Amino acid sequence: DTGVSQDPRHKITKRGQNVTFRCDPISEHNRLYWYRQTLGQGPEFLTYFQNEAQLEKSRLLSDRFSAERPKGSFSTLEIQRTEQGDSAMYLCASSLSGMNTEAFFGQGTRLTVV
Amino acid sequence: GESVGLHLPTLSVQEGDNSIINCAYSNSASDYFIWYKQESGKGPQFIIDIRSNMDKRQGQRVTVLLNKTVKHLSLQIAATQPGDSAVYFCAEKGKEYGNKLVFGAGTILRVKS
Repeated sequence: DTGVSQDPRHKITKRGQNVTFRCDPISEHNRLYWYRQTLGQGPEFLTYFQNEAQLEKSRLLSDRFSAERPKGSFSTLEIQRTEQGDSAMYLCASSLSGMNTEAFFGQGTRLTVV
Repeated sequence: GESVGLHLPTLSVQEGDNSIINCAYSNSASDYFIWYKQESGKGPQFIIDIRSNMDKRQGQRVTVLLNKTVKHLSLQIAATQPGDSAVYFCAEKGKEYGNKLVFGAGTILRVKS
């Protein structure tokens, strides 16, 4: 499978715990994006990387959220001290660089904070 | 499965009919647009894109129309099939948004057999 891969697909955690999600983009794509999606809404941008550099972060990304892409390939998104409001689908997408290039999404990680 | 989009507009069509899904986008300076299909519990799937220097683009069974004057995008699906049932999102991109896609609210398409 050469698409965007996310792991895990589902995560249930207790409030206050830390969680980490992984995204493996399409191999030749140098841009990687994280989005969050809640029920009935479109995906909301969180952050994106060009290679290993994190170039933009949304105001939605509180200081409990951190993302890394250390070698410019896979990326991790960590949420510390999870809250019930963090429950959502976390989506990763990748694309080639350039203004008008399509972004392809992974299947997402469904986070439930109890 | 998950029920997506409890408050999203819904379009119900009969199998075999054509579907038209509409989207009003936000930024008149946006210059790239994508339609995505999202099935319950899955990530968005790329359907078709269009650049702002075009007003129509066709794919396999799908056509996207862009009207920049009124900031309107539509997705036409020919001979709609049960497998087309999903939530459809339009997304826009432009300098004002940097390199990210900004998504609209979505439309549920239900295909009746």
